[in-house]
Amino acid sequence: EVQLLESGGGLVQPGGSLRLSCAASGFTFSDSDMTWVRQAPGKGLEWVSKIYFNSAKTFYADSVKGRFTISRDNSKNTVYLQMNSLRVEDTAVYYCAKEAPPTGWSDHWGQGTLVTVSS
Amino acid sequence: IVMTQSPDSLAVSLGERATINCRSSQSVLYSSNHRNYLAWYQQKPGQSPKLLIYWASTRQSGVPDRFSGSGSGTEFTLTISNLQSEDVAVYYCQQYHETPYSFGQGTRLDFK
Repeated sequence: EVQLLESGGGLVQPGGSLRLSCAASGFTFSDSDMTWVRQAPGKGLEWVSKIYFNSAKTFYADSVKGRFTISRDNSKNTVYLQMNSLRVEDTAVYYCAKEAPPTGWSDHWGQGTLVTVSS
Repeated sequence: IVMTQSPDSLAVSLGERATINCRSSQSVLYSSNHRNYLAWYQQKPGQSPKLLIYWASTRQSGVPDRFSGSGSGTEFTLTISNLQSEDVAVYYCQQYHETPYSFGQGTRLDFK
């Protein structure tokens, strides 16, 4: 059974940093591209970032480019999202999702971790 | 690519049909493989999104056949036939034709 378990969310002040982690199991992690998607309270889904299975390429939404960094450790079956210079508008539930190879739909999602940016 | 869904919300009676539309600001059809890079997701209250359909019309394993997708290019439709109580949710379309990937704003489906 595919499982994705996010962690690392919490309350942070504007301008602060957080690192989210997503521990994967139940599939060949090193074969799968991974994605982060967020959802602000009461709002819709917003695609945030993607990393190739081998870390060769990364992609970002314009809203987070230059502030967020996605990475992965295939030896630990974990994908990360380093979030710097956080803004109030980054407040959201952050979901980790596995992409179905070889293309971009997300066939499994984690339960999400809440990031709250507030002073 | 901007994805726009319509309507924002709709109410349908049990057993009836619900139709949700999704329009992309540019084509998500790759001519090389004739595939539309369009997926549909369902999100029930308090839950994570769940994949329903990919390639615009292919049902994910385990998804009931009352869910169907159609369309090509820039115009797509999700149809839910014989609406059941468990279908109350918000539905999103997503293009994965190019990064940054993008979602529609969502359509809330309730009972009439």
